[in-house]
Amino acid sequence: DAGITQSPRYKITETGRQVTLMCHQTWSHSYMFWYRQDLGHGLRLIYYSAAADITDKGEVPDGYVVSRSKTENFPLTLESATRSQTSVYFCASTHAKMDQPQHFGDGTRLSIL
Amino acid sequence: GENVEQHPSTLSVQEGDSAVIKCTYSDSASNYFPWYKQELGKGPQLIIDIRSNVGEKKDQRIAVTLNKTAKHFSLHITETQPEDSAVYFCAASETGFQKLVFGTGTRLLVSP
Repeated sequence: DAGITQSPRYKITETGRQVTLMCHQTWSHSYMFWYRQDLGHGLRLIYYSAAADITDKGEVPDGYVVSRSKTENFPLTLESATRSQTSVYFCASTHAKMDQPQHFGDGTRLSIL
Repeated sequence: GENVEQHPSTLSVQEGDSAVIKCTYSDSASNYFPWYKQELGKGPQLIIDIRSNVGEKKDQRIAVTLNKTAKHFSLHITETQPEDSAVYFCAASETGFQKLVFGTGTRLLVSP
């Protein structure tokens, strides 16, 4: 039971670089989400996807790009990283049925120097 | 949009005591309220959830209560143990929608 996996677990990069965070789930969940976690802010939704090729913005989408060509993968790209994007990023997934719990990966800690 | 406030931000208790974490929400259309536990270096894990047609739900030492009129819900942990030490998040969403809005988290420390 692999569940939901994120890679890499840790990443250090420099401002202006492009970086992609990967998320893979084995449950065939239709919904997938990207959150960032910062002290004092809890978890804030960046982007989400209801199905392959369907994505939508969350609360804090600026500076991020997502794609979903396959149901099981939902990569998050920072096209030109900024220091304010230093954070812990979590991917989650859930069924399309109402009120199903979201299942989270163990996160990627991203530092931008 | 929905806004969820969570208190306290930190909570220290002795082993065996009870712990209560409170959340308020702003959107009266919200109908689903999950609670997540996050241990160090891990992602949040669902521990209990409640829907608006229920006022209280219990699962062993954990219970959640919901007051729709006042728009607040609470997590109650009885007989706390050191392994309960973690960060707890509440969340809210409107029925039929998959998007959750999270509170800012409560760091619970249970001392032996």
